[in-house]
Amino acid sequence: QKEVEQDPGPLSVPEGAIVSLNCTYSNSAFQYFMWYRQYSRKGPELLMYTYSSGNKEDGRFTAQVDKSSKYISLFIRDSQPSDSATYLCAMTRMIYNQGGKLIFGQGTELSVKP
Amino acid sequence: GAGVSQTPSNKVTEKGKYVELRCDPISGHTALYWYRQSLGQGPEFLIYFQGTGAADDSGLPNDRFFAVRPEGSVSTLKIQRTERGDSAVYLCASSPREGAPSAFFGQGTRLTVV
Repeated sequence: QKEVEQDPGPLSVPEGAIVSLNCTYSNSAFQYFMWYRQYSRKGPELLMYTYSSGNKEDGRFTAQVDKSSKYISLFIRDSQPSDSATYLCAMTRMIYNQGGKLIFGQGTELSVKP
Repeated sequence: GAGVSQTPSNKVTEKGKYVELRCDPISGHTALYWYRQSLGQGPEFLIYFQGTGAADDSGLPNDRFFAVRPEGSVSTLKIQRTERGDSAVYLCASSPREGAPSAFFGQGTRLTVV
């Protein structure tokens, strides 16, 4: 079993829809939780990160972490065709001011149709 | 440049040959990571440098893989006796010493072993 599980999709939604992307994990030591967006043939781009449990909002994006359930989510409001990409969740046990390897999910391919 | 730069962007090599992949991190970033991404999968950790030293090389698949960062900036990933299974996108990321556990990725080098 992988440390981080993510449904690969593909997920197709109409423009303007609310998108919900999710990951589950098994390692309770993870402290930081990230969401990356990856366009085709590009490197991953950090969208946002959260430390421990809670919510974080940035524009149309909201990240949620529930450590008790080992479950994280990314919500995209008012989705746009430009949001079409693969979304990767990632986690780390990093200690502040030190490096830490990221453990990624498989990625969910999202398509937003005009 | 402003971002992480990887060269070459594409590399085709014959089975059994030796290859070198280069990464120029963001200026001032002391942490540097190499990941490997196979088609349809999330990136998998290979090795992490803090400064010149490899702090964690637990992700290197075998002794054909080696990486260096002699001056604490540019890094080179070296693969000996390449195999078809080594075909993947090799991603480099860098992080600042201070601040959030965010990693900034390059565009990757797409390696194809024929």
